[in-house]
Amino acid sequence: EAQVTQNPRYLITVTGKKLTVTCSQNMNHEYMSWYRQDPGLGLRQIYYSMNVEVTDKGDVPEGYKVSRKEKRNFPLILESPSPNQTSLYFCASSSTGTEYQETQYFGPGTRLLVL
Amino acid sequence: LAKTTQPISMDSYEGQEVNITCSHNNIATNDYITWYQQFPSQGPRFIIQGYKTKVTNEVASLFIPADRKSSTLSLPRVSLSDTAVYYCLVGTMDTGRRALTFGSGTRLQVQP
Repeated sequence: EAQVTQNPRYLITVTGKKLTVTCSQNMNHEYMSWYRQDPGLGLRQIYYSMNVEVTDKGDVPEGYKVSRKEKRNFPLILESPSPNQTSLYFCASSSTGTEYQETQYFGPGTRLLVL
Repeated sequence: LAKTTQPISMDSYEGQEVNITCSHNNIATNDYITWYQQFPSQGPRFIIQGYKTKVTNEVASLFIPADRKSSTLSLPRVSLSDTAVYYCLVGTMDTGRRALTFGSGTRLQVQP
């Protein structure tokens, strides 16, 4: 089954304790992305990756890091989490063909609470 | 990047047709328009996508006028299960740097 998986689904942590949220897709997609969702703000892109070893900032990259060492994985790293990073996080992937049509497939979400 | 504007919320009744309009005045030549649906605590789900004129699939239609500065998502005969947030997304398939940005979303409430 084609899917995007995220782990963990729920996480409670404390300020300053480094954490990683994993994201994996089994569709051989080149493009992957991380979003955060906050009430009243919709979805905002944090980082994206066009392919292995190619990453770039989205709209709200501060406080986050990413890496793309393998095509299927795109972990989101919070080196020193702060309470303002409490949010619902979504990973997404898509192919990047020459056609304009594209569908982003989203993971189930990771709900993070930073105390 | 083209910024999008949508109504914050809409109400409808079961069986009615719902039209949600998205404005994207600064859409670029290579940009396309995509609509997603999101239920609470779930990831967004693709509904429909288009570049110009009209596109129809099994769940919705997308109308895009000639100037492409707006688009309208049409949901025929909605049901209670169509209650969700609908996002309009404008993005480009240009090679090189790309960052997709979601609009603010429209919360659709369908009542019996």
